[in-house]
This record gives sequence, structure tokens and C-alpha cells, in this order.
Amino acid sequence: QKEVEQDPGPLSVPEGAIVSLNCTYSNSAFQYFMWYRQYSRKGPELLMYTYSSGNKEDGRFTAQVDKSSKYISLFIRDSQPSDSATYLCAMSATIQGAQKLVFGQGTRLTINP
Amino acid sequence: KAGVTQTPRYLIKTRGQQVTLSCSPISGHRSVSWYQQTPGQGLQFLFEYFSETQRNKGNFPGRFSGRQFSNSRSEMNVSTLELGDSALYLCASSWTSGAPHLNTGELFFGEGSRLTVL
Repeated sequence: QKEVEQDPGPLSVPEGAIVSLNCTYSNSAFQYFMWYRQYSRKGPELLMYTYSSGNKEDGRFTAQVDKSSKYISLFIRDSQPSDSATYLCAMSATIQGAQKLVFGQGTRLTINP
Repeated sequence: KAGVTQTPRYLIKTRGQQVTLSCSPISGHRSVSWYQQTPGQGLQFLFEYFSETQRNKGNFPGRFSGRQFSNSRSEMNVSTLELGDSALYLCASSWTSGAPHLNTGELFFGEGSRLTVL
């Protein structure tokens, strides 16, 4: 079983739809939760960053962390064709004095005009 | 502020050859990490360097090695290339302290070096 599970998709939705991307994890030590966006032939870029449980909003993007369920989500409102990319969740913790950072598989998202 | 720069962007090698990839981190970032990205395996951690020392290492064979210079620039080397080494190799830098519990894991990635092994 992978430490971080993310549905690879692909996910295709019409423009303007609300998109929900999710990851589950098994290690309760994770404290920092991130979402990266990766356009085709580019490196990942940090999109959202949250610490511990709760919500964080940035424009059309909302990141949600539920540590009790070991579940994180990224919501995209009013989705645009420019949001078409692969979205990777990532989470980190300090374990036995070393930082551990684990990425999900990535979900490929296409927003259709 | 310049981002993470990786060279070369594309390269083609044959089995048995070796390759060296280069990464210049964001100014002020002392940590450099390397990842291999393939469609089937996703992002897999290779190693991390901090202040010229390898701090973390993933589960890759000894053919994969790296180093970091005093100016934080980093190189990774793959010897005796195999077909399965074809991938996008990503370098990421971060502001990080010597105390792991203060580090959050925010990474800034370069655009990658796409390696094809024939």
C-alpha cells in the first residue's frame, strides 16, 4: 500500500464546473500538505500549502485537510481551460530527525471549453 | 528572482553510456533535491543535498549519484544507462534550515531534463 494515494484520472470536466481533487494518506505524522500543479513539459509549481487540519482559500482554489480522516482535497471553482494540468498532492513530516516528503501519483485534469 | 535552472533540457543516450545533469537552485536556497518522474511511477525521490552533504536518499541503485558544490549548484550522474532510466529528471530547491523540524517541504522545481535512453 502506498503512503499517499491519489486517483490518477484522467478527469475531464466542462468549463465553469467545480473540480474536486483528493488524496488519502496512511502516515499520521504528516503535518504539512501541499498541492502542486504541473503543466505539460514543465516542472511542478507549488499551488497551495496548508499546515495541519483546516481550509485555506486562494482565489478560485480551496485546499482542505482532514487529519482525522487522513484525507486532503483541492477544490477549483469556476474552472478554466488554463487549469488543465496534472495536480499532485504532497505531504511532509519530520520523522526520526529527517524530513520525509511524499508525492501522490498526480491527477491529470482537462477543462473543456 | 531567477528560478531553478536545469541543463540540458533534452538529451538522448544509448544503453551503457553515462549522463550528467546540472541544476542551479534559486539564490539563497541551500537544499537541492532530485526526482525521477515517469508516467507509471510518478515522482520518485532520488536524493537531497544540503550544504554539500547528502542528507536524504531514496531507493535507487548506486548507478545514480549526485553532488553539491559550495555555491549550492548540484549535479546528478547516472552511469551504465538502462532503457528504464528514460524519464524526466527534476531538480527542486528549497529554503531549509539545518533543523529538519523547521522545514515544511515547500519545493521550487526546475523544468526538468528529459532523458531518453535508446
